[in-house]
Amino acid sequence: DQQVKQNSPSLSVQEGRISILNCDYTNSMFDYFLWYKKYPAEGPTFLISISSIKDKNEDGRFTVFLNKSAKHLSLHIVPSQPGDSAVYFCAASLFKTSYDKVIFGPGTSLSVIP
Amino acid sequence: DTEVTQTPKHLVMGMTNKKSLKCEQHMGHRAMYWYKQKAKKPPELMFVYSYEKLSINESVPSRFSPECPNSSLLNLHLHALQPEDSALYLCASSHISRAFLPTNYGYTFGSGTRLTVV
Repeated sequence: DQQVKQNSPSLSVQEGRISILNCDYTNSMFDYFLWYKKYPAEGPTFLISISSIKDKNEDGRFTVFLNKSAKHLSLHIVPSQPGDSAVYFCAASLFKTSYDKVIFGPGTSLSVIP
Repeated sequence: DTEVTQTPKHLVMGMTNKKSLKCEQHMGHRAMYWYKQKAKKPPELMFVYSYEKLSINESVPSRFSPECPNSSLLNLHLHALQPEDSALYLCASSHISRAFLPTNYGYTFGSGTRLTVV
């Protein structure tokens, strides 16, 4: 049972335009949602997160929107740059007293075309 | 120091070898994690340690043996691995409480150990 879904395996965007990456989840107990960026053969790099009590969090070019009723979140990158080309993982966290159980979606490969 | 350091970066081992992966963090995090990632797949949780005690073992085969000797170090001992165990092994750490979290909070991952079993 896939609890975190990213239905678009890949996305191509022109440089300077907006990239929108989508994510859906099934478990209403998740209390934090995170986005990670990953280059091949490297560890995931944390980008931005949002608490389940918020609906928007912004950090520079990156904004994450959360729609709890729809169990949907999205990552907006504006403006997109060629260096943003990577695999983006959506992740959701269940807090378990003294640790996070973080479950990752399958990822979306973003290509930003110069 | 906001890093998780993993060594070695690359490891090739035979199916009869014994080797260890190491992970170190100095962020004061008391939860540490091992993940396994195969190509074009998301990271999969293997083990969780909190306060240096094993909290989760996600049904990982016994040929993988984790160890947390202190709050900064996490090891993964490998023995009699199979070629299908070849993957990127990632270590991560996090806070152990939801109180006083920064606005942007997330696990910190190391850069991983690329393991090849021959």
